Amino acid sequence: QVQLRESGPGLVKPSETLSLMCTVSDGSISGYYWSWLRQPPGKGLEWIGYIFHTGTTKYKSSLESRVTMSVDTSTNQISLRLRSVTAADTAVYYCARGADYTVWTDYYLADNWFDPWGQGALVTVSS
Amino acid sequence: QSGLTQPPSASGTPGQRVIISCSGSTSNVGINYVFWYQQLPGTAPKLLIYRNDQRPSGVPDRFSASKSGTSASLAISGLRSEDEAHYYCAVWDDSLTWVFGGGTKVTVL
Repeated sequence: QVQLRESGPGLVKPSETLSLMCTVSDGSISGYYWSWLRQPPGKGLEWIGYIFHTGTTKYKSSLESRVTMSVDTSTNQISLRLRSVTAADTAVYYCARGADYTVWTDYYLADNWFDPWGQGALVTVSS
Repeated sequence: QSGLTQPPSASGTPGQRVIISCSGSTSNVGINYVFWYQQLPGTAPKLLIYRNDQRPSGVPDRFSASKSGTSASLAISGLRSEDEAHYYCAVWDDSLTWVFGGGTKVTVL
């Protein structure tokens, strides 16, 4: 059964870059849509963006100017970089696997899901 | 795009049926599939319902869901103590982003 695990610094200074890695084990990255999501402490869920195994991405528009996602199929890892962070970016960050449609199309962006999720990584933005 | 509207809380006694609503708009719920996620305390969310009313394997049939127009609902029948969790609805919005409900905390009295 595929497992996802997020890793990275738990504390980032304001204006710096948040960097997280999602390691996928017991399964392949290829053929799936992958997402990063986050959840501020005590609050609801927010989607950050998609990445396909080919490297094709779709980011939430309000975060697009600060976000970069990448995928490395040789190491089965997906990365997230969020630049110029502020306290508002403090959250538990999750990676999640989406559907196995094997091709990227706009239609599949809507007919997709997040399953399974990693256990999450708390990132605090503070000086 | 705006988020989806869910009641902040719902409750019931063991064995009862609880229904959680999720209200959206013609740019999201009205045109796309609705998904539901369960988040047990201190854990990551888990997919509960996909494509409006489909249960992934392993999800008990006590959980059911439906969609009509710009609203959707999740029903938990035969409520059990282990159902205490937050429940979130989610749908793709035509502004090209996923939108979530604020979450409903279900308490088993």
